[in-house]
Amino acid sequence: QSALTQPASVSGSPGQSITISCTGTSSDVGGYNYVSWYQQHPGKAPKLMIYDVSNRPSGVSNRFSGSKSGNTASLTISGLQAEDEADYYCSSYTSSSTHVFGTGTKVTVL
Amino acid sequence: QVQLVESGGGLVKPGGSLRLSCAASGFTFSDYYMSWIRQAPGKGLEWVSYISSSGSTIYYADSVKGRFTISRDNAKNSLYLQMNSLRAEDTAVYYCATRPYSNFKFDYWGQGTLVTVSS
Repeated sequence: QSALTQPASVSGSPGQSITISCTGTSSDVGGYNYVSWYQQHPGKAPKLMIYDVSNRPSGVSNRFSGSKSGNTASLTISGLQAEDEADYYCSSYTSSSTHVFGTGTKVTVL
Repeated sequence: QVQLVESGGGLVKPGGSLRLSCAASGFTFSDYYMSWIRQAPGKGLEWVSYISSSGSTIYYADSVKGRFTISRDNAKNSLYLQMNSLRAEDTAVYYCATRPYSNFKFDYWGQGTLVTVSS
């Protein structure tokens, strides 16, 4: 199972919006509405930010939103803040009943 | 509150074995699927395995199939990962995480335990 493809880095200024893409295949991202997104600060465990493509867990800021079109899912962070600087990973359930993560994206707040 | 505490990591020689444990509290452990996810130093996340709430359904990543065995003891609220025939590329922080039944998100994570495979 190959990792989902994410851009290595994305940057933006405070207050701006950024979007991170996550590209898979019809056997994972495109085949199921089971894409989730995780935020990871250095030295910390990942934190769930979005699940089932566009749902936010309780306590996650509404500045985070998710969507999907075909084999590509996206995470948008609006009103970028310094605390959003972190690594972000997408994940999808697959047709093999397994899971696959994305390659990861480093978000930098300029 | 939900707490997951991994243990059992350490330094092991190539070809060796190690057993990781994950102690769970703050939720009904027997209701949840559980998963192991790892992260090599400076690298991304890699899903390793998951086990159903009863232990009857188990899946592994191809990279560990035949070498790693996931198990659980619901009476002890504990998850395990037996790792055999370890290779240098298995060096990583290993996280346990909850995965709700009929849902496909990893909603709670432990802090991880480091496994280093080196001679």
